[in-house]
Amino acid sequence: DSGVTQTPKHLITATGQRVTLRCSPRSGDLSVYWYQQSLDQGLQFLIQYYNGEERAKGNILERFSAQQFPDLHSELNLSSLELGDSALYFCASSPQTGGQETQYFGPGTRLLVL
Amino acid sequence: AQSVTQPDIHITVSEGASLELRCNYSYGATPYLFWYVQSPGQGLQLLLKYFSGDTLVQGIKGFEAEFKRSQSSFNLRKPSVHWSDAAEYFCAVLVYNQGGKLIFGQGTELSVKP
Repeated sequence: DSGVTQTPKHLITATGQRVTLRCSPRSGDLSVYWYQQSLDQGLQFLIQYYNGEERAKGNILERFSAQQFPDLHSELNLSSLELGDSALYFCASSPQTGGQETQYFGPGTRLLVL
Repeated sequence: AQSVTQPDIHITVSEGASLELRCNYSYGATPYLFWYVQSPGQGLQLLLKYFSGDTLVQGIKGFEAEFKRSQSSFNLRKPSVHWSDAAEYFCAVLVYNQGGKLIFGQGTELSVKP
């Protein structure tokens, strides 16, 4: 157990809908990262937050957004969902800003868009 | 551009045999390298990491990896594979001058024959 928790574990929804994925980092970690794992794209970095502020951005679609709250948990919002958004979404956390640090991953949220 | 290549998509070894999973990276600065393992339906578990120092690093579950700067490689090894090692293995490089995003290889799926 990495200490990173993600809810829900599974999510089934329809095209055009909006969902929110939640992540709680390890105790004391200030950075949260979101990754997407899909069959065609593999594991891809989406976005990083450090202590409430956006720190780095990857290949995140405009339909997707994230935020980190004062208690350091983070949410990833996916809207206008398409079939291709079906994937496993991982959250990870690290102690500080991410440089020279290990990221510890949560168990993931599996999203299925029908 | 930064990238990670895992040339072998799928490897099958017999239980008790030795294992080597290949990883090549492309990164313009000193690389920080990781191996993660993903069991079916599970999240990503850190096996080992290389930040600096000794180029042979030891990890959990009897795994080790050797960093070779001249070959831009970070291969994972295990002297004797157990059936429980069957999983997918991911090599990653940390891009630390842009926050802390991980760039992953495509993964190598390991099957273990009895």
